Amino acid sequence: DAKTTQPPSMDCAEGRAANLPCNHSTISGNEYVYWYRQIHSQGPQYIIHGLKNNETNEMASLIITEDRKSSTLILPHATLRDTAVYYCIVRVAVRGSTLGRLYFGRGTQLTVWP
Amino acid sequence: GAVVSQHPSRVICKSGTSVKIECRSLDFQATTMFWYRQFPKKSLMLMATSNEGSKATYEQGVEKDKFLINHASLTLSTLTVTSAHPEDSSFYICSARDPATGSYEQYFGPGTRLTVT
Repeated sequence: DAKTTQPPSMDCAEGRAANLPCNHSTISGNEYVYWYRQIHSQGPQYIIHGLKNNETNEMASLIITEDRKSSTLILPHATLRDTAVYYCIVRVAVRGSTLGRLYFGRGTQLTVWP
Repeated sequence: GAVVSQHPSRVICKSGTSVKIECRSLDFQATTMFWYRQFPKKSLMLMATSNEGSKATYEQGVEKDKFLINHASLTLSTLTVTSAHPEDSSFYICSARDPATGSYEQYFGPGTRLTVT
């Protein structure tokens, strides 16, 4: 699976948009970009994933560059409860017993302040 | 979304004893579950893939005889830390995918904090 690079930490004011970048310059054509987050001392939570088109759900938006070498997770209106470590992961989505393996990097600690 | 539970949430054991951690998918059947370990201020490290009805697949560097994994049913996987030592103290997290949804989304349990004294 391709390696990702994320800034170690970011701050955001409550109510503002939080834009979390991720570089994945070695991503392959069949690898998806996944985002998870982990609030302190809890299990990770799935946020969103995409292949090459931009995606949006009730939690966030995912913007993937045309060359797919980087992406940005957008939390449109950050709240204090969004303070967490955000992980960007790229992996192949194929069927079989290996499906679902996730290899986490260091992630970005997002702190939302009032 | 699908719910994954873990039991216990916290456990303290003495060095040399064994500890069993349970991971359950509450409202779906999971043929595959995953076990992770997380040390303080570190990222999650995948330990093994647990397959229902077959042997687990361990990641490189993870001792299979020390971390016994059993996936006897479609809703339960257990991780047993045998002959625990203080360096095994960590946050253990399991996850599962719901194949019935056709989604690759992975659901995580709340984690089990193990302290070995």
